[in-house]
Amino acid sequence: EVQLVESGGGAVQPGRSLRLSCAASGFTFNDYAMHWVRQAPGKGLEWVSGISWHSASRGYADSVQGRFIISRDNAKNSLYLQMNSLRPEDTALYYCAKDLSSSGSYKGDAFDMWGQGTMVIVSS
Amino acid sequence: QSVLTQPPSASGTPGQRVTISCSGSSSNIGNNHIYWYQQVPGTAPKLLIFRNDQRPSGVPDRFSGSKSGTSASLAISGLRSGDEADYSCATWDDSLSAWVFGGGTKLTVL
Repeated sequence: EVQLVESGGGAVQPGRSLRLSCAASGFTFNDYAMHWVRQAPGKGLEWVSGISWHSASRGYADSVQGRFIISRDNAKNSLYLQMNSLRPEDTALYYCAKDLSSSGSYKGDAFDMWGQGTMVIVSS
Repeated sequence: QSVLTQPPSASGTPGQRVTISCSGSSSNIGNNHIYWYQQVPGTAPKLLIFRNDQRPSGVPDRFSGSKSGTSASLAISGLRSGDEADYSCATWDDSLSAWVFGGGTKLTVL
């Protein structure tokens, strides 16, 4: 059974940093691209970032470009999101999501499995 | 403002058929596959339709997807109370080089 478990969320002041983690199990992690998707309270889904299976290719939403860094450790079956210069508008539930196909690219197919999310609150 | 446009709400009675639309442009829906997600409040999204009209195993054939030009639709037939949820469309946008979502449609079963 595919499992994605996010951690690392919390309350932080604007301008500070936070690092999210996602522990994956139940599938061959290094075969799949992975993503972070967020959902602000009462709002729709927003793709944040994606990373290819071998980390050679990474993409970001314009809203986080230059502030967030996605990474992965295939030996640890883990996905990460380093969030710097946090803003109040980054407040959201952050989901880790697995790519649908084993093409390895984060651009090719969408997300088929999601974790339960970890909440990030940015407020002074 | 979402890149993909969905109606904020939809409704139907049990047994009815409802459709939810998703409108985009040539840089997203017009050139890429569409995906649909179901999200019951308080839970993670669930993949309902992939690559325009394919259903993952376990998704009933009451759910169907279609795409034409720069628009797509999700149809739900034989509506049930358990179908009450938010439904969102998603696709890759070539111009933005990003995955984009619709704002979501809240489905109410009357």
